Amino acid sequence: DAKTTQPTSMDCAEGRAANLPCNHSTISGNEYVYWYRQIHSQGPQYIIHGLKNNETNEMASLIITEDRKSSTLILPHATLRDTAVYYCIVPPSNTGNQFYFGTGTSLTVIP
Amino acid sequence: DTAVSQTPKYLVTQMGNDKSIKCEQNLGHDTMYWYKQDSKKFLKIMFSYNNKELIINETVPNRFSPKSPDKAHLNLHINSLELGDSAVYFCASSQEFQGLGDTIYFGEGSWLTVV
Repeated sequence: DAKTTQPTSMDCAEGRAANLPCNHSTISGNEYVYWYRQIHSQGPQYIIHGLKNNETNEMASLIITEDRKSSTLILPHATLRDTAVYYCIVPPSNTGNQFYFGTGTSLTVIP
Repeated sequence: DTAVSQTPKYLVTQMGNDKSIKCEQNLGHDTMYWYKQDSKKFLKIMFSYNNKELIINETVPNRFSPKSPDKAHLNLHINSLELGDSAVYFCASSQEFQGLGDTIYFGEGSWLTVV
């Protein structure tokens, strides 16, 4: 299955773009990259997902490299409410698309 | 409207008791899950149900017995509670079981404390 590697923690100034990297060098051709976040004491929240092309929605942008071995989640204008643990997940296609959460990146937005 | 709702949100109980956590989703999804998040914040899948049928049991002790009366509900019953069962339990749902590109939606969690 595709393992993901993320930095343990990051800081970002309020109002600036937060760029969260993720490595998934063993990803297979039909496996998607998902991003979720978990704000303290809440359930995981879906942010965005993509296969090959870059994706954008009202929350964030997802940039996937051409070889698909890494991706970056971009929060364009971070606010204090974006402080959370961010999970990059690649559900293995051979195990029924089960979502396995790693340790994620703890993002702290600083005033 | 809450898409995936679970009750109770907080539960404190003594060792040896039996307790249940209920979950309901109003998204019309076919697949539901239970996840457990321990004190170290690792979030691990426990069960997957598709159309009321158990699909995956991730080596969870048989004291944990999920029940799905219909595809909108997946309840978790825990017998003979142990201290190590203290955790946050999240219910989740998705449209399909093996849907590549499908999205999983989570409830707000149920905080279980065993004393």
